[in-house]
Amino acid sequence: AQSVTQLGSHVSVSEGALVLLRCNYSSSVPPYLFWYVQYPNQGLQLLLKYTTGATLVKGINGFEAEFKKSETSFHLTKPSAHMSDAAEYFCAVTLSGGYQKVTFGIGTKLQVIP
Amino acid sequence: DAGITQSPRHKVTETGTPVTLRCHQTENHRYMYWYRQDPGHGLRLIHYSYGVKDTDKGEVSDGYSVSRSKTEDFLLTLESATSSQTSVYFCAIMGRESGNTIYFGEGSWLTVV
Repeated sequence: AQSVTQLGSHVSVSEGALVLLRCNYSSSVPPYLFWYVQYPNQGLQLLLKYTTGATLVKGINGFEAEFKKSETSFHLTKPSAHMSDAAEYFCAVTLSGGYQKVTFGIGTKLQVIP
Repeated sequence: DAGITQSPRHKVTETGTPVTLRCHQTENHRYMYWYRQDPGHGLRLIHYSYGVKDTDKGEVSDGYSVSRSKTEDFLLTLESATSSQTSVYFCAIMGRESGNTIYFGEGSWLTVV
């Protein structure tokens, strides 16, 4: 079984400030981890994913995330927030080995203040 | 963009009526999913399919049924719609070709009045 916890349902940052969105997971086997972004009235778009290999993963729009097994975390960061980053972000986990169930966190809404 | 098409995109229906949402994919992926999205709950899995005529329940399957008669189509049916089923419904697909990454459709907004 697997689960995901996103800390903070709403996060506000100033334009140009660091973005940090937190995600912790639990998994009985090595996980695959994902971050998705959702803009209003749209579907979810993949930002980045971790499967195996390098633990620092770079995604689209300048975002990156680091898989830390010891902390069971996969936090999403961006050095400098842009107004266009305002959206809802979802962390997700599935199990490696081809298991098909994907579990999502409840989401974090990012507000960017001018 | 992943080749996923949901229809209808928007629908208003009355309580007690049956409703069917359709998901069509052009990627030939094995797995297909229906999620609902509600404020404060994130995405919750309703049903999923791991092949033609192979389906299983998710965490919020009560009041919903699904069918998959072809690889490319996955139908979600609300047998008798209730107001609690007002939600946004997302279809998703995953396959070995996508590196076990799930891709979403654009969503179907359903309002039950």
